Formats: sequence, structure tokens, C-alpha cells
Amino acid sequence: DADVTQTPRNRITKTGKRIMLECSQTKGHDRMYWYRQDPGLGLQLIYYSFDVKDINKGEISDGYSVSRQAQAKFSLSLESAIPNQTALYFCATSAGDRGNQPQHFGDGTRLSIL
Amino acid sequence: QKEVEQNSGPLSVPEGAIASLNCTYSDRVSQSFFWYRQYSGKSPELIMSIYSNGDKEDGRFTAQLNKASQYVSLLIRDSQPSDSATYLCAVIGGGSYIPTFGRGTSLIVHP
Repeated sequence: DADVTQTPRNRITKTGKRIMLECSQTKGHDRMYWYRQDPGLGLQLIYYSFDVKDINKGEISDGYSVSRQAQAKFSLSLESAIPNQTALYFCATSAGDRGNQPQHFGDGTRLSIL
Repeated sequence: QKEVEQNSGPLSVPEGAIASLNCTYSDRVSQSFFWYRQYSGKSPELIMSIYSNGDKEDGRFTAQLNKASQYVSLLIRDSQPSDSATYLCAVIGGGSYIPTFGRGTSLIVHP
């Protein structure tokens, strides 16, 4: 089983709809992240959380919100989806006991907004 | 603003050759450096971490770090077609626990 699980894996929806992407992990990591990836643009950080009570905006948080329901769960919401939010979304985790640990990524959610 | 630069490529090498991928970074106090492999449409997969100057070897992969010159490289020996992917460099700077990612270098290994 995957250590970092994202659901759904694929989603097609219409402009204006509310969408939630979910991420759960069994790695026991404190830190969780949401990224989007567009072709040629690399990974862009949307939000990150260092523990359940700590939520921080990344470089492209506008139009997105998050919820850290538990240490193992971190959800990303698009309140009113728009076509330019069509992208590949990744959740990642890292250990929090030392600050410089690598990230481990889920398999991604391919989101298409029509 | 912290920057991590990679040549987008594609870098094309024949099977069996050494592939050399390079990454430069702007934050002089960066402490942690990572290489990820990403196949098209898939998630990034960690292949190497390096924290100290010098070389670190793991199988066919060698990471090289030179903090004075602010670059980190990845060598892939005996390249295989299955190594064809995009390689992402990530750097964690001083005072931050958030990595900055380069945009990646596309590697093509042809038979």
C-alpha cells in the first residue's frame, strides 16, 4: 500500500463547482504539503502544514483552502473551480523531527476543470 | 528570492553512457539537497539526498555537492532507457524547512 494516498486520482468537473482533494499518510510524518504542477512550470507550493494546528500559505494559495483534520490527513479544497486550476496536484509529507528531511509524494490527482 | 536553476534539456545520451545533470542555487546558506526522478504523469520519487560537500554514491547514482560554487550535480552511470525521465533538484535553504524545486531536466537515454 502507498504511504501517501491521494483521492481521487482523476477528476473532471465544471467551472464553479466545489472540489475537495484528500491526502492521507501512514508514514507518521508531521509535515504535509500541497503542490500543483503545470507542464513546464515545475512544482508550485499551494499550502503546507507543520502540525495539526499549523497551516501556512504557499506561493499560489489564492482560490484554494486546506484543512488538517489529523496528523495523517490534509485536504485541499477549491471553493469555486476555474479552468486555470486544471493541473496535476500532489500531496507530500516530510518528517518533522529534523528540519531538512526530503519530501515523499503521493501519486497525484489529475484535475480538469471544464 | 531563493532560486534553483536547471537546464530544461532534453539531455540525450546513448545507453551505457554517463548522464550528468546539473543544478545551481542562489541561497548561499542552503543545507540540504535532493534529487528526484519524475516519469511523465507520475509523482516525483526521491533518489538521492546530500548534505555535505563531496560525492555520495548509491548504486549507479552519484550526487556531487560543491557549496562554495553553489552547485549540485547528479551522475547516472551505465544509463538505461528506463532512466529516461525528468530529474528535479530541490534545495532547502538556511532558516527554512521548505524546499525550493528547480523546473527539472529532461533526460532521454536512447538505445
